[in-house]
Amino acid sequence: DVKVTQSSRYLVKRTGEKVFLECVQDMDHENMFWYRQDPGLGLRLIYFSYDVKMKEKGDIPEGYSVSREKKERFSLILESASTNQTSMYLCASSPDRGSLTEAFFGQGTRLTVV
Amino acid sequence: GDSVTQMEGPVTLSEEAFLTINCTYTATGYPSLFWYVQYPGEGLQLLLKATKADDKGSNKGFEATYRKETTSFHLEKGSVQVSDSAVYFCALSISGGYNKLIFGAGTRLAVHP
Repeated sequence: DVKVTQSSRYLVKRTGEKVFLECVQDMDHENMFWYRQDPGLGLRLIYFSYDVKMKEKGDIPEGYSVSREKKERFSLILESASTNQTSMYLCASSPDRGSLTEAFFGQGTRLTVV
Repeated sequence: GDSVTQMEGPVTLSEEAFLTINCTYTATGYPSLFWYVQYPGEGLQLLLKATKADDKGSNKGFEATYRKETTSFHLEKGSVQVSDSAVYFCALSISGGYNKLIFGAGTRLAVHP
């Protein structure tokens, strides 16, 4: 069974903290993605990666960075957390560059910044 | 730019009612189209997809037809169940775009017995 695992379901962090959200996939997929989900806005792409050590900005990269040192792991980093980054964060992976196959999602991390 | 527009929710139905959730898209290329579903407390999972015009995707009693002439991909089910209560997302993916998905805002469906 294919699996995308996010390290935490719920996180509470303080303003200004550096926050790491971890995602691991076991399907040997090339592509990995970080989205944030907010009511009424759907899912918005933060960053994606199509290969190890490669990264591309999505639609809302400001305030975030990413790391992909290994193919199976894609980390999202909030350099200095702010209250407007309170959201649900979803990691996804998919095979092949340019493929039109489906993406597989993790269960999500609900981050609250206080 | 590329975008997806879905009907606003919430949609509230009685069990066994007919469901339609409208989805239209704007795309410069030839997208593949998807419906994803998110059950309470879970991540998204693929419900169905269609990769070219006039294709019909179907799964679990849900159907959607890729209509290029109206740039639409409406989701339908003939008889909903309480277990179908979830948030439904329409999405598109452009060939050559690293399989990035562009999502609509989502439509919450609540089905009552």
